[in-house]
Amino acid sequence: AQSVTQLGSHVSVSEGALVLLRCNYSSSVPPYLFWYVQYPNQGLQLLLKYTTGATLVKGINGFEAEFKKSETSFHLTKPSAHMSDAAEYFCAVSDTGNQFYFGTGTSLTVIP
Amino acid sequence: GAGVSQSPSNKVTEKGKDVELRCDPISGHTALYWYRQSLGQGLEFLIYFQGNSAPDKSGLPSDRFSAERTGGSVSTLTIQRTQQEDSAVYLCASSSGLAGGPSTQYFGPGTRLTVL
Repeated sequence: AQSVTQLGSHVSVSEGALVLLRCNYSSSVPPYLFWYVQYPNQGLQLLLKYTTGATLVKGINGFEAEFKKSETSFHLTKPSAHMSDAAEYFCAVSDTGNQFYFGTGTSLTVIP
Repeated sequence: GAGVSQSPSNKVTEKGKDVELRCDPISGHTALYWYRQSLGQGLEFLIYFQGNSAPDKSGLPSDRFSAERTGGSVSTLTIQRTQQEDSAVYLCASSSGLAGGPSTQYFGPGTRLTVL
């Protein structure tokens, strides 16, 4: 079975600082990996996804994530945090592309 | 609208009552998913529909939960004899379901269910 672990349910960064949200997964096969963002009072939207090919994936709003098979990780980063990045972030994994397993989420606070 | 819609947005019910939650996916999307998001928890997979295939019901937590998808479009999630632990936000998502890997899921705004 698949599972996803997001270390840190709450992360606070200063505006302009590096954002690093951690995601580790377990999968018996090469996985598909995703990051979703949920802004306050809005639905989830896809930030980026890894399926095959280049392990560094670029998403919307300046976010990127790197698939590291040896570490079973898919951490999300952004070089410089903006106030508008404050939201809940979810990492997800799928092996078949049919059933998806989500982490418990990380709430990002950006301090002015 | 162009996105996934869900109704009602909020539902308050009494323990033991049945509830129906509705999801209208994006037109043309063949795949439809239901998830449950409880406070402090991640998204819990409930059920997956793909075209005319038999649904993947492996995530349904008990036989009080059921879902159907009529005409390959609108889906209804039914919870019978609701319990307080059923209180959560129920999310629906749809995707194009194209072969060759997972297609992007588009999520609805959710239905917040409160069981008193």
